[in-house]
Amino acid sequence: AQKITQTQPGMFVQEKEAVTLDCTYDTSDPSYGLFWYKQPSSGEMIFLIYQGSYDQQNATEGRYSLNFQKARKSANLVISASQLGDSAMYFCAMSPNAGNNRKLIWGLGTSLAVNP
Amino acid sequence: KAGVTQTPRYLIKTRGQQVTLSCSPISGHRSVSWYQQTPGQGLQFLFEYFSETQRNKGNFPGRFSGRQFSNSRSEMNVSTLELGDSALYLCASSLEGSSPYEQYFGPGTRLTVT
Repeated sequence: AQKITQTQPGMFVQEKEAVTLDCTYDTSDPSYGLFWYKQPSSGEMIFLIYQGSYDQQNATEGRYSLNFQKARKSANLVISASQLGDSAMYFCAMSPNAGNNRKLIWGLGTSLAVNP
Repeated sequence: KAGVTQTPRYLIKTRGQQVTLSCSPISGHRSVSWYQQTPGQGLQFLFEYFSETQRNKGNFPGRFSGRQFSNSRSEMNVSTLELGDSALYLCASSLEGSSPYEQYFGPGTRLTVT
């Protein structure tokens, strides 16, 4: 069965420090996509970063990078230089087909609090 | 460009009633997906519509249904509401042929069933 596991219900980080949010996945599909989304208290999902299963390099988007370890089936999100505005829920998600499949499977999320 | 809009933003219903939620995608987006978000189950995929046809479906009972109109606006309907249907309902739109990460989410409709 396809599944996303986020083992950290809550995390704290000091402003300007880096933080890693864990995500492991389970799928037997050879082709899949991995996503990270941020959900502030307003409720809207904000796309952060994407990694395709065949991508050779780890994805990066500004302060966000994805530590993709295919053999371990992990896709951890690294946020560098944390800001107060980074306080939010973070969700890891998977698309079973890295192509045109809009059906995302989600983890339960990690609540990140950035302390001043 | 206007984002994805969802109406209403908040809704309170009683058990046994039915409810209709609306989602207007970004102009030009023809794919609309719906998700249910609860604290216990997290986000779960309900269904996806493209060009007025249901293209993907999650594992929800038949009380949950949806449709899409020719202007790509989508509605989802929940009949015979149960307490467990209390949730944040999110919709997302995307362009056909775009990368899978290019899904844009609306602010959601928070449904409370009493």
